[in-house]
Amino acid sequence: AQSVTQPDIHITVSEGASLELRCNYSYGATPYLFWYVQSPGQGLQLLLKYFSGDTLVQGIKGFEAEFKRSQSSFNLRKPSVHWSDAAEYFCAQIRNTGKLIFGQGTTLQVKP
Amino acid sequence: EAGVAQSPRYKIIEKRQSVAFWCNPISGHATLYWYQQILGQGPKLLIQFQNNGVVDDSQLPKDRFSAERLKGVDSTLKIQPAKLEDSAVYLCASSLIRQGAEAFFGQGTRLTVV
Repeated sequence: AQSVTQPDIHITVSEGASLELRCNYSYGATPYLFWYVQSPGQGLQLLLKYFSGDTLVQGIKGFEAEFKRSQSSFNLRKPSVHWSDAAEYFCAQIRNTGKLIFGQGTTLQVKP
Repeated sequence: EAGVAQSPRYKIIEKRQSVAFWCNPISGHATLYWYQQILGQGPKLLIQFQNNGVVDDSQLPKDRFSAERLKGVDSTLKIQPAKLEDSAVYLCASSLIRQGAEAFFGQGTRLTVV
């Protein structure tokens, strides 16, 4: 079955430290991949997306992600985390029917 | 540009009661999604519309959930009768038809069934 997996349920990093959130997808033909962020009580906001071309994509708020077909991964990174980055992060993929499916999410906690 | 509007923001009902949620997508967006997000989990797609037709409702519990999108614009999601396990945030999203188009989300309706 086509699925999106986020192996880390919860991650804690210190403010100013680097961050990497992992995402693996299972549908490999032409993946349309997304990272969304959800702050408490809010809807989902798109951070970045990958369709084709350059495998390193830049997003908002200083985030970037790298698509690696050989590893079926689309990991999200940020060089220096800010306290305001504490939130829940979701990796998502569009299937061939246009169905947008999500991983289970990673909760990011930022220590001062 | 106005975003996806959802109402109500919060709803508390007793089990076996019925409830309805409303969504107004971004103007011009032909695709509309309803998701259920249980606390601590990722959003689960319940139903996807393209204009007023259903594209996917494979995970919609049809014995109690129903959704419609009359005229291909606004949509309502109904639960009747509600169960305790229906407590969740119900998210509506919309997008253009274009392949791989970004989905824009509303703030959601938090449903508590007691």
